[in-house]
Amino acid sequence: NAGVTQTPKFQVLKTGQSMTLQCAQDMNHEYMSWYRQDPGMGLRLIHYSVGAGITDQGEVPNGYNVSRSTTEDFPLRLLSAAPSQTSVYFCASGGGAGYTFGSGTRLTVV
Amino acid sequence: GQSLEQPSEVTAVEGAIVQINCTYQTSGFYGLSWYQQHDGGAPTFLSYNALDGLEETGRFSSFLSRSDSYGYLLLQELQMKDSASYFCAVGNAGNMLTFGGGTRLMVKP
Repeated sequence: NAGVTQTPKFQVLKTGQSMTLQCAQDMNHEYMSWYRQDPGMGLRLIHYSVGAGITDQGEVPNGYNVSRSTTEDFPLRLLSAAPSQTSVYFCASGGGAGYTFGSGTRLTVV
Repeated sequence: GQSLEQPSEVTAVEGAIVQINCTYQTSGFYGLSWYQQHDGGAPTFLSYNALDGLEETGRFSSFLSRSDSYGYLLLQELQMKDSASYFCAVGNAGNMLTFGGGTRLMVKP
């Protein structure tokens, strides 16, 4: 039982490059979300989904796209990477009482 | 919008009891959660309060007062491994979870 799996764990991008952060869960959760965490700070919601085919913006959505074609997968796309997007990205799934987080993707944009 | 306030840092000694407070402002409140995060790790779920009162899980307890928009996490019999950041989070009807800025707990011998 893997829970929430994020890939890659580390990534370095050049400014202007695009990439997709992958997130998959095997718990059949309807709710999935993406957060970013900057050093010494809390988690800020980027995008979330309440089910396949349904996505919505969170607190800091600019520069990111998401889609939810299946219950299991919720990829996050960086359209044109900027140094301000250097952060640790966490995917989470669940609902109600508690959420399960992936191990994170540490992204550096140079 | 939603906002949460919690202390940035708390220090306590091993074996002691520590309380981490959280006040919030939100629309459509559905519950207050607590998460623990060790340095370099992912947040892990600790507890959840949807109704007023105290929830106990082992050495950890969490309290909620909806009328005061206030909650706290109580850690008893502190151990060195409890040194971590603790986040409160509020959920709304859309299942959106908004986090506070986190409280860094340092446990000293």
